Amino acid sequence: NAGVTQTPKFRVLKTGQSMTLLCAQDMNHEYMYWYRQDPGMGLRLIHYSVGEGTTAKGEVPDGYNVSRLKKQNFLLGLESAAPSQTSVYFCASSYGLGNYGYTFGSGTRLTVV
Amino acid sequence: DAKTTQPPSMDCAEGRAANLPCNHSTISGNEYVYWYRQIHSQGPQYIIHGLKNNETNEMASLIITEDRKSSTLILPHATLRDTAVYYCIVRVEETDSWGKLQFGAGTQVVVTP
Repeated sequence: NAGVTQTPKFRVLKTGQSMTLLCAQDMNHEYMYWYRQDPGMGLRLIHYSVGEGTTAKGEVPDGYNVSRLKKQNFLLGLESAAPSQTSVYFCASSYGLGNYGYTFGSGTRLTVV
Repeated sequence: DAKTTQPPSMDCAEGRAANLPCNHSTISGNEYVYWYRQIHSQGPQYIIHGLKNNETNEMASLIITEDRKSSTLILPHATLRDTAVYYCIVRVEETDSWGKLQFGAGTQVVVTP
């Protein structure tokens, strides 16, 4: 009963470096989402996916790319990290539209120096 | 923009019921109301959701007005561990929304001894 697992939990990057955040879910959910949360603010949607091989932009997609090659995994990439991308990143998943809840991961705290 | 309005903060005495209001005056007939909470910087935790009828689970009760323009989350016996930011979210059900949750600023609830 792992639910949604995010790796890594913490990371410090230098400006210009790249990295990939991994989100894995074991609930056979179709829909997956990446959010970011800045201090004192609510979560904002970066990208999302409604199934294997499909992705779409959310509210704040600039500077990020995503891939969903396998149904259970949703990857968030930063090609050239910037200090403005310092944030806590949360992944979530759901069965889809209708009467379903959402499960969130515990987050990845990223600092770009 | 978030489709909900919540008070920024509220206090509650331990052992008493906590009633958290939420206004969603522009809600459409097929849009669900979700409640999540976030303790410190942990991942958002699902509490409850509903469409028209009142709902109850082991954590809380959700009361939705008949016109669906507002709702109230009730924590029946607040404990210190209920101190958190509580988010009321209306999930957009448009065909291209793909179940995205739009977070607002939430209500900071502080439970005091």
